[in-house]
Amino acid sequence: GENVEQHPSTLSVQEGDSAVIKCTYSDSASNYFPWYKQELGKRPQLIIDIRSNVGEKKDQRIAVTLNKTAKHFSLHITETQPEDSAVYFCAASIEAAGNKLTFGGGTRVLVKP
Amino acid sequence: NAGVTQTPKFQVLKTGQSMTLQCAQDMNHNSMYWYRQDPGMGLRLIYYSASEGTTDKGEVPNGYNVSRLNKREFSLRLESAAPSQTSVYFCATQKEPYEQYFGPGTRLTVT
Repeated sequence: GENVEQHPSTLSVQEGDSAVIKCTYSDSASNYFPWYKQELGKRPQLIIDIRSNVGEKKDQRIAVTLNKTAKHFSLHITETQPEDSAVYFCAASIEAAGNKLTFGGGTRVLVKP
Repeated sequence: NAGVTQTPKFQVLKTGQSMTLQCAQDMNHNSMYWYRQDPGMGLRLIYYSASEGTTDKGEVPNGYNVSRLNKREFSLRLESAAPSQTSVYFCATQKEPYEQYFGPGTRLTVT
């Protein structure tokens, strides 16, 4: 089955700096890659996603890039703010196989004021 | 419009007891999912249902059963709870074709 690895497990950045989280996946048939943000004690919330026919997608301060050849994708957060502090999860799935998400282990991001 | 709701929010069970976690959605989505999240880890899929009347196993189905009662409701049952099932359980629904939205979670402790 699919295996998703996520790095780093923790990330501390100064407010205003950029944060980058990287994920690799094992199944070349995966074609959907969402990113979730989870605040302490809350549900995961979808913040951005990318499909395999696209190499990059942006939404304000957040961007995701996908390299299908290397089987990795990354989340980029620019101009970080204290409210960006949370745990971020990447995931991968094969839409044709019921879109069962396989999650990475998570990255705890701390933005220091 | 409540989205995805889960009951109960918290539950403590003794080893060997049974219980059912309830999930309901009012978004008219076909696909529904059950995940578990252990401390410091990502979510793992337990079971999913692509449509009313169908269910299929995910990554960690052992010790669980599910029932897709109708389009709105998808329940998860623990027949004989074990300490290894202590976790936070999230239900999710899928807005076609891809986006999954999660409920608030049920925090379960098995002693």
